Amino acid sequence: KAGVTQTPRYLIKTRGQQVTLSCSPISGHRSVSWYQQTPGQGLQFLFEYFSETQRNKGNFPGRFSGRQFSNSRSEMNVSTLELGDSALYLCASSTDRGYGYTFGSGTRLTVV
Amino acid sequence: GQQVMQIPQYQHVQEGEDFTTYCNSSTTLSNIQWYKQRPGGHPVFLIQLVKSGEVKKQKRLTFQFGEAKKNSSLHITATQTTDVGTYFCAPNAGNNRKLIWGLGTSLAVNP
Repeated sequence: KAGVTQTPRYLIKTRGQQVTLSCSPISGHRSVSWYQQTPGQGLQFLFEYFSETQRNKGNFPGRFSGRQFSNSRSEMNVSTLELGDSALYLCASSTDRGYGYTFGSGTRLTVV
Repeated sequence: GQQVMQIPQYQHVQEGEDFTTYCNSSTTLSNIQWYKQRPGGHPVFLIQLVKSGEVKKQKRLTFQFGEAKKNSSLHITATQTTDVGTYFCAPNAGNNRKLIWGLGTSLAVNP
């Protein structure tokens, strides 16, 4: 079956702009989580969505938001981009049991 | 809040040597997951441990969960160049499914 698909793979944005990233989970997976990965900080949890509802949230400012659609596809949005938002953004899907997460290849965001 | 310490941060071994990474938590865990991320890749799920003292094996990889459910280890026997990557532990302390990720152990293997 198809894996987790994230688009786009690469993005270059200017400080102050906003960006929307997309994630299509594995068919049948209703849980979608988002992570930010940077060399010094490892994987930082952003939020998790399940059945269109945010179930968990990490410690990120309100500029980071997300949503999930009825087909389980998810988007995350970052407004007013800062240089420090440059990172690899990973999406992971799982079944409701949460036994192991399947990650997408990520979106590498560069803010200049 | 819950903290996770993963040691060592880096490990460089000769091919054929063994390797172990440890994951220590400040709180009792419900379960712990392990992932591997190859350079330039994304994390790949390896295993989940749930029971106190649990030991699971996958070929040359041995995963252990401590008796007190506060620590875990991953041991690789006779490393190969294909083992190169960063190994992450991702424990869960509660019922909220929120994983707390360690910073990972980066493994380099000299052929």
